[in-house]
Amino acid sequence: ETGVTQSPTHLIKTRGQQVTLRCSSQSGHNTVSWYQQALGQGPQFIFQYYREEENGRGNFPPRFSGLQFPNYSSELNVNALELDDSALYLCASSWGTQEQYFGPGTRLTVT
Amino acid sequence: AQSVSQHNHHVILSEAASLELGCNYSYGGTVNLFWYVQYPGQHLQLLLKYFSGDPLVKGIKGFEAEFIKSKFSFNLRKPSVQWSDTAEYFCAVLGSSASKIIFGSGTRLSIRP
Repeated sequence: ETGVTQSPTHLIKTRGQQVTLRCSSQSGHNTVSWYQQALGQGPQFIFQYYREEENGRGNFPPRFSGLQFPNYSSELNVNALELDDSALYLCASSWGTQEQYFGPGTRLTVT
Repeated sequence: AQSVSQHNHHVILSEAASLELGCNYSYGGTVNLFWYVQYPGQHLQLLLKYFSGDPLVKGIKGFEAEFIKSKFSFNLRKPSVQWSDTAEYFCAVLGSSASKIIFGSGTRLSIRP
């Protein structure tokens, strides 16, 4: 176990809806990164937050947004869900750019 | 642009066989390299990492990897696999000036008991 927790475990949404995924970082970590892992593929970097500011973003549209709170927990928000957004969403926490520790993920299904 | 290539999508071995999974990366500067493992139904776990120093890195569960800078490679090895090594293995790179880890597409390892 890494100490990184994510909620919910599974989620089913309809196309066009909005979703919020949550992540609680490992104690002492100030950086959180979010990844999307489609079936049969490696995780794809969405964005990273460091001390509540976005610190890098991958090739994802603006409808993917995030927040990091003072206690270093984090949210990933996705608006106007599309079928292709169905994936496992992974959160990883770290101390700066050091080793990232991954949570168990949230499985999102868009129908 | 950074990229990571894993040459084998699916590897099938018998117990006690030796393992080598290939990984090549594309990045122009200093890199940190990782191998992660994802056991069925479990989250990603770090097997080993290379930041600097000895290019032969030893990780958990008897795994090791060798960083060959001239070949932009970071292959994963294990002398004798066990059935419990059945999992998905991901190679990943973090550029020194970047915030994101780039993952390869993964290699699924199946071990025949």
